[in-house]
Amino acid sequence: EAEVAQSPRYKITEKSQAVAFWCDPISGHATLYWYRQILGQGPELLVQFQDESVVDDSQLPKDRFSAERLKGVDSTLKIQPAELGDSAMYLCASSWGASALSGANVLTFGAGSRLTVL
Amino acid sequence: DAKTTQPNSMESNEEEPVHLPCNHSTISGTDYIHWYRQLPSQGPEYVIHGLTSNVNNRMASLAIAEDRKSSTLILHRATLRDAAVYYCLYRGSGGSNYKLTFGKGTLLTVNP
Repeated sequence: EAEVAQSPRYKITEKSQAVAFWCDPISGHATLYWYRQILGQGPELLVQFQDESVVDDSQLPKDRFSAERLKGVDSTLKIQPAELGDSAMYLCASSWGASALSGANVLTFGAGSRLTVL
Repeated sequence: DAKTTQPNSMESNEEEPVHLPCNHSTISGTDYIHWYRQLPSQGPEYVIHGLTSNVNNRMASLAIAEDRKSSTLILHRATLRDAAVYYCLYRGSGGSNYKLTFGKGTLLTVNP
């Protein structure tokens, strides 16, 4: 069964350092999402891509977070500088459908990257 | 943002049916209702989705109220592996953008 690959699985860093997460979606999936999940809460959408274009980054803290999907396939989420409050699980998901299509398109999530900022 | 209301937690016994409720009173007529679940230390996993009619798949059944303001996820025979956080959600009203907004979900505990 096809999977969404994420790395690293775990990351420990000190505050003010830079950190990056990588995601490889399911082949052929045009839409890619980055979610952040703080312990005890549901995932929060940070950014959504349609192919290589950003269609929603309204919840992305743009002063320190950046995301790219240069060739419309894999994606990188970067945090610089990391802060204590960034400690969370960073989840990547992908779906087949384009963002403007029916809400029936289902998401497939990766296992996530757990970030701890000391 | 698309708002849903779910109980914080529910408990069930193994081999018994489980009915997980969700209220979504502001849903529009064309929004699909989705259910995902998240096992400990894993990403969310798709369970089922529907629009108006009741839906069945190998994992669960989804019963949707006639007015679509609520739905119920049904696990016919709970197993220990069904212990997870269950999220009910639907597409938000962000114009043409497709956006799934997660709440806190329902933590399901299954007792042996």
